[in-house]
Amino acid sequence: GEDVEQSLFLSVREGDSSVINCTYTDSSSTYLYWYKQEPGAGLQLLTYIFSNMDMKQDQRLTVLLNKKDKHLSLRIADTQTGDSAIYFCAESTGYQKVTFGTGTKLQVIP
Amino acid sequence: DTGVSQNPRHKITKRGQNVTFRCDPISEHNRLYWYRQTLGQGPEFLTYFQNEAQLEKSRLLSDRFSAERPKGSFSTLEIQRTEQGDSAMYLCASSPSQNQPQHFGDGTRLSIL
Repeated sequence: GEDVEQSLFLSVREGDSSVINCTYTDSSSTYLYWYKQEPGAGLQLLTYIFSNMDMKQDQRLTVLLNKKDKHLSLRIADTQTGDSAIYFCAESTGYQKVTFGTGTKLQVIP
Repeated sequence: DTGVSQNPRHKITKRGQNVTFRCDPISEHNRLYWYRQTLGQGPEFLTYFQNEAQLEKSRLLSDRFSAERPKGSFSTLEIQRTEQGDSAMYLCASSPSQNQPQHFGDGTRLSIL
């Protein structure tokens, strides 16, 4: 079945870049996502990438996809304290259910 | 666009009681999804609707769980005879079509005493 794995915790200093990594197993994944979850809140869609793309940039966010290795990363440039949250990597095939990783807790140190 | 709305935000109930949650998707989104998230985990898919038709159900959705979307707009998720293990955040998401990402509500947190 589908599986998405990511590291549990990342700590960075304010102003540095953060890189959150994720691996997935489903070779038929067509969409890969990054969601952000703040305490007590739902999931906020940050960005997503189609599987036929290698990279997508959106302001401070850069997504890199290595389809061969089934590896996805999210880079946050100039990380701010407001970026502290849990970041979920996720994948889906078409319109079907989204499979999430366990989340990476990002701690930004002032 | 007011976003996906879920009610109530929190529900505390005794074991064995029935509970019902409501989700109002983003207007004109014809796909609606339910997920469950337990502490320290990512959301897990429960079921989804296209308009009023329930098209897929996860094996996580035991026979105590039932979801409906009678008019293809809002949806309800009912849990009968709640158990301790049902304590979780129940998240609803919607999307306008099969090629668009899902947008999530803030969830309903269920606590079983």
